[in-house]
Amino acid sequence: GAGVSQSPSNKVTEKGKDVELRCDPISGHTALYWYRQSLGQGLEFLIYFQGNSAPDKSGLPSDRFSAERTGGSVSTLTIQRTQQEDSAVYLCASSLAPGGPDTQYFGPGTRLTVL
Amino acid sequence: AQKITQTQPGMFVQEKEAVTLDCTYDTSDQSYGLFWYKQPSSGEMIFLIYQGSYDEQNATEGRYSLNFQRARKSANLVISASQLGDSAMYFCAMREGRTGGSYIPTFGRGTSLIVHP
Repeated sequence: GAGVSQSPSNKVTEKGKDVELRCDPISGHTALYWYRQSLGQGLEFLIYFQGNSAPDKSGLPSDRFSAERTGGSVSTLTIQRTQQEDSAVYLCASSLAPGGPDTQYFGPGTRLTVL
Repeated sequence: AQKITQTQPGMFVQEKEAVTLDCTYDTSDQSYGLFWYKQPSSGEMIFLIYQGSYDEQNATEGRYSLNFQRARKSANLVISASQLGDSAMYFCAMREGRTGGSYIPTFGRGTSLIVHP
């Protein structure tokens, strides 16, 4: 089957605009994660979805960030009123279920540039 | 305090030689998982190897092995017979066995590996 896909691959926007980033996880994976990676840095956790449970939003940096996951599959990360410091690569990952190896499989990322 | 520490920002190795990338972790959980990922310049994170805290044997996957020392809280990645294609960033990560089912891995800052011909 296909891996995790993300769209768009690149997004350039003006400061103050809203953006939506999409993640399509591997079919059957119940867990979905969003991370942010700034240039030369490690991964910063943003939000985690597991099945029908309430998402863990503890990593969202501000209330300008939100995410939803429809039907337990596709997820959209929305950034409102973008700022230049939001420029980063946004990575999505999915895994089969928590516990055990719980290996995360990552998408190719969306590179966001806020001018 | 950082939960995952990768002390080597950059490493160089000659092609065909072995290299060890260091990773130490901090947790009070007894049950946890340790992962290594590779991120080439293309940007995609590629899963390499997993070690569970209760696994008796060190994990191996082809040329990759994980030198797991529980008492020292270290999980070093060993790459044998380095290849030019191994040049990439390498990230160590840990997933703690939290109650409530929230399994969110923590990642280190990464080590850049360059393989010389």
